[in-house]
Amino acid sequence: AQRVTQPEKLLSVFKGAPVELKCNYSYSGSPELFWYVQYSRQRLQLLLRHISRESIKGFTADLNKGETSFHLKKPFAQEEDSAMYYCALEGEAGGTSYGKLTFGQGTILTVHP
Amino acid sequence: DADVTQTPRNRITKTGKRIMLECSQTKGHDRMYWYRQDPGLGLQLIYYSFDVKDINKGEISDGYSVSRQAQAKFSLSLESAIPNQTALYFCATSDLLGTGVLYFGPGTRLTVL
Repeated sequence: AQRVTQPEKLLSVFKGAPVELKCNYSYSGSPELFWYVQYSRQRLQLLLRHISRESIKGFTADLNKGETSFHLKKPFAQEEDSAMYYCALEGEAGGTSYGKLTFGQGTILTVHP
Repeated sequence: DADVTQTPRNRITKTGKRIMLECSQTKGHDRMYWYRQDPGLGLQLIYYSFDVKDINKGEISDGYSVSRQAQAKFSLSLESAIPNQTALYFCATSDLLGTGVLYFGPGTRLTVL
């Protein structure tokens, strides 16, 4: 069965420091990977998806199929980045997990001034 | 995103009671989902529906049932609530073409005493 693991429940950094939120997955195929974010008093929302290969709010994530990882990175953290971050996986088309997301446990990021 | 609404937003109930959580969307999406969020466990899929006539169990469907009354409405019921169903419940929608991109409601905080 597919699985998404975020090993860090809590992560604290200071403003301006680099930040990396780890995500590892297990899936026997070619998944699509996503990062979702929930800011305080806001809804859970998509931050970025690997297929888009874009940088959102300074965040990037690279899919490493060899290490089955999809870590989220930002070179200079800002206080407004403080939030709960979820890594998520969707199975490939035709598979049983296509069309639904499996989420990791979430990482609470706190950026201190 | 105000296009996905959930009622009630907060509910306290007693063990053994039947309770219904409702989700409505004006996005015109075919796919709808119910997730539950627990600290340390992340988001777990309860049920999902790809269209009005299609209902599927997720990872943790035991003790829950759903009804897709229309394209815009997807209700989650707890037939006989128990304390370990205390959690934050999220409804989400997805466009058939927006693979993996979910739009979440604000959540319903349910407490079972």
